[in-house]
Amino acid sequence: AQTVTQSQPEMSVQEAETVTLSCTYDTSESNYYLFWYKQPPSRQMILVIRQEAYKQQNATENRFSVNFQKAAKSFSLKISDSQLGDTAMYFCAFGAGTALIFGKGTTLSVSS
Amino acid sequence: NAGVTQTPKFRILKIGQSMTLQCTQDMNHNYMYWYRQDPGMGLKLIYYSVGAGITDKGEVPNGYNVSRSTTEDFPLRLELAAPSQTSVYFCASSYWDRGTYNEQFFGPGTRLTVL
Repeated sequence: AQTVTQSQPEMSVQEAETVTLSCTYDTSESNYYLFWYKQPPSRQMILVIRQEAYKQQNATENRFSVNFQKAAKSFSLKISDSQLGDTAMYFCAFGAGTALIFGKGTTLSVSS
Repeated sequence: NAGVTQTPKFRILKIGQSMTLQCTQDMNHNYMYWYRQDPGMGLKLIYYSVGAGITDKGEVPNGYNVSRSTTEDFPLRLELAAPSQTSVYFCASSYWDRGTYNEQFFGPGTRLTVL
């Protein structure tokens, strides 16, 4: 069975700084997808970024980028130039079959 | 497009009561899902559907039932509510095509408390 582990329950960062959230996963699948979702206090789940396992190039979306290390089964999220609106819970998720497997999340606080 | 809508947003139930959480999507997605999120935890899959008339259990299906009579609707039924079902419930949908894992779109969630 697949598992997703986020080892940082909470993190904090100052505005304009860079922060990296960690995620590791375990799977025997060779073809899969990885996602980072953001959940602000509004509770809405918002897709931040997605990575296909067969692509070696790391995905990037504006200030958000990932460091995907397939052999190490690691999928970290880097947020550059952090903004107050980035304050949220961030979930790493793994998809290879029907539904997503989520980690327990990391609460990120951005302060001014 | 409204995306994925859920009703109600909040609900308090007494132990033993029943209720249905409604979920509708207008994106013509074939796959729909129900997740629950307990405090400080990630989302866990309750049930999913790959199309109208087809449903299957997820990781935590006990105490719940679903049906999928149309592409758009995927209601979740709670029978004999228990305090352990106190949680936030999310409905999601996606278009699953062979070999491609597309983004899941989530509804705003329903906060359910069972007392």
